[in-house]
Amino acid sequence: QQQVKQSPQSLIVQKGGIPIINCAYENTAFDYFPWYQQFPGKGPALLIAIRPDVSEKKEGRFTISFNKSAKQFSLHIMDSQPGDSATYFCAASTQGGSEKLVFGKGTKLTVNP
Amino acid sequence: GAGVSQSPSNKVTEKGKDVELRCDPISGHTALYWYRQSLGQGLEFLIYFQGNSAPDKSGLPSDRFSAERTGGSVSTLTIQRTQQEDSAVYLCASSTYTTDTQYFGPGTRLTVL
Repeated sequence: QQQVKQSPQSLIVQKGGIPIINCAYENTAFDYFPWYQQFPGKGPALLIAIRPDVSEKKEGRFTISFNKSAKQFSLHIMDSQPGDSATYFCAASTQGGSEKLVFGKGTKLTVNP
Repeated sequence: GAGVSQSPSNKVTEKGKDVELRCDPISGHTALYWYRQSLGQGLEFLIYFQGNSAPDKSGLPSDRFSAERTGGSVSTLTIQRTQQEDSAVYLCASSTYTTDTQYFGPGTRLTVL
């Protein structure tokens, strides 16, 4: 049973566009929702994370929107650049993130020049 | 400072052989996690250590998989009698436990022929 569902599987946008990646979760005990960025041949790196007590968090060009009642959260990348081309994973965890992360299956983003 | 390191970076083995994968966490990080990333899949949790003990081994797929951690630092993931379905990238992450961020290593790509 997949506990975190991520969509779309792949996404192509033009430079300057605003790609949006969506995730939905089932376990209401989740209380920490990070997004990781992964480049080919590298390990995932934390991009931004949110807790359910806020509905939005912004760091630079990256924004997480969180809807607790719908059990959904999404990543928006403003003014996307070719260097943002990577695979993005949403994840969820209990115990404030000290427990295991449950990952979505990833979204491969391509930003064309 | 140094990040999480893993060795070897690549491992090719024959079906039925045993393999050992090593993870060196960030110095001072008390929590250590192993994940597996198969082609086209998200990251799948395997096991988590707090110090030298493993409070959550629920992701180990079979009794052919085992892991240990010594001195609260280095961890070794052992796969006995490898099978072709074990082919994947094995990722290690560490955290301070008091914070939520898991820092990932570059992974070990395991290929079982």
